[in-house]
Amino acid sequence: KAGVTQTPRYLIKTRGQQVTLSCSPISGHRSVSWYQQTPGQGLQFLFEYFSETQRNKGNFPGRFSGRQFSNSRSEMNVSTLELGDSALYLCASSLPLMGGIAKNIQYFGAGTRLSVL
Amino acid sequence: AQKITQTQPGMFVQEKEAVTLDCTYDTSDPSYGLFWYKQPSSGEMIFLIYQGSYDQQNATEGRYSLNFQKARKSANLVISASQLGDSAMYFCAMREGGIYNQGGKLIFGQGTELSVKP
Repeated sequence: KAGVTQTPRYLIKTRGQQVTLSCSPISGHRSVSWYQQTPGQGLQFLFEYFSETQRNKGNFPGRFSGRQFSNSRSEMNVSTLELGDSALYLCASSLPLMGGIAKNIQYFGAGTRLSVL
Repeated sequence: AQKITQTQPGMFVQEKEAVTLDCTYDTSDPSYGLFWYKQPSSGEMIFLIYQGSYDQQNATEGRYSLNFQKARKSANLVISASQLGDSAMYFCAMREGGIYNQGGKLIFGQGTELSVKP
């Protein structure tokens, strides 16, 4: 079974530009979550999508957005890039979380490393 | 607010020895899950082991075991018989599982960098 696939693996942009990152989940997984990883802030939750709807959102500005397609593939977009947006962006997929049950393993992709110059 | 604390930024262990990575957590939700992930230099986060707040026994997965002390709010990862390939960053994470949490948000600690010496 193929794992979570993120494209591209590396990206270089300049300030003010926008960027779109893509994530293909494990087959059968309908929930996709995005995380930002930086040396200073560590791993921070961006948002989660399930059935094409954003179900959960972290504390990030509106420049960060995402969407999910009917085949569960997801994209995240960052507009008006800032130097501080340089990070490893990780996508994780999982089976739908049933209410009240904490066990739901998220499987991560290799990430997209974004550098903003 | 939920929080994960990993107090060991870096650790060294001799090959074939056991090592314990510390993790403490804070939550007011009685239902929660604790996870450990490994992140090699390639960047991918690899799931290692899970412990639920209501689980009666400590979780084990091959060479990985979780020392779960609920009253102390700690969930330490034990790696037995360390191998050179175990050198990586290790992250402890938590998800609250209350009935109002329908999402998949994980809260991560700052990580521990483990180096295995030959």
